[in-house]
Amino acid sequence: EPEVTQTPSHQVTQMGQEVILRCVPISNHLYFYWYRQILGQKVEFLVSFYNNEISEKSEIFDDQFSVERPDGSNFTLKIRSTKLEDSAMYFCASSDGQGAHNEQFFGPGTRLTVL
Amino acid sequence: GENVEQHPSTLSVQEGDSAVIKCTYSDSASNYFPWYKQELGKRPQLIIDIRSNVGEKKDQRIAVTLNKTAKHFSLHITETQPEDSAVYFCAATYFGNEKLTFGTGTRLTIIP
Repeated sequence: EPEVTQTPSHQVTQMGQEVILRCVPISNHLYFYWYRQILGQKVEFLVSFYNNEISEKSEIFDDQFSVERPDGSNFTLKIRSTKLEDSAMYFCASSDGQGAHNEQFFGPGTRLTVL
Repeated sequence: GENVEQHPSTLSVQEGDSAVIKCTYSDSASNYFPWYKQELGKRPQLIIDIRSNVGEKKDQRIAVTLNKTAKHFSLHITETQPEDSAVYFCAATYFGNEKLTFGTGTRLTIIP
């Protein structure tokens, strides 16, 4: 069964450094998402992406964040200058239909630790 | 915006007994409510969902109920088994919205 994959599984970085989190969505899916979960808190929506552009973003997704689909398979989340409070688990998800009422398939997550 | 509250945060149940997890939501426009299960070290996976045109949906040992008036929905697991041990997340959204709003999660432990 096809799955969403994410790399790396764990990323440790110094405050102020740039990080890129990578995701490979399910191949026939067209709608992509990033969520994050700070330890002990709820999963929070960051951004949705379709047809090479952002379709919706949350207030968390400020100018430090960007997303890209650089080729036909990868979907990336870049954090330009990491802060301590960016430490969290980041989940990528994909769906074959527009709107969150279509099942979103989640990746295993990347744990980002900012020191 | 939508806010989803989930209770309890932890729940321990004897194997074979039932477990109930409850969520409330704030936005009356929400009309789709999925439940995700996340086993330790694994990805969240959809286990059941309900749309606001029905009050209850069942899939084997799992059921979800929805009370639109009170703005709450619940997950019921009957005849619990050790493999039901996981963190369960409820979520809410409305058709056409891109964003899922999640609850804080419930860690369910099944005691053999």
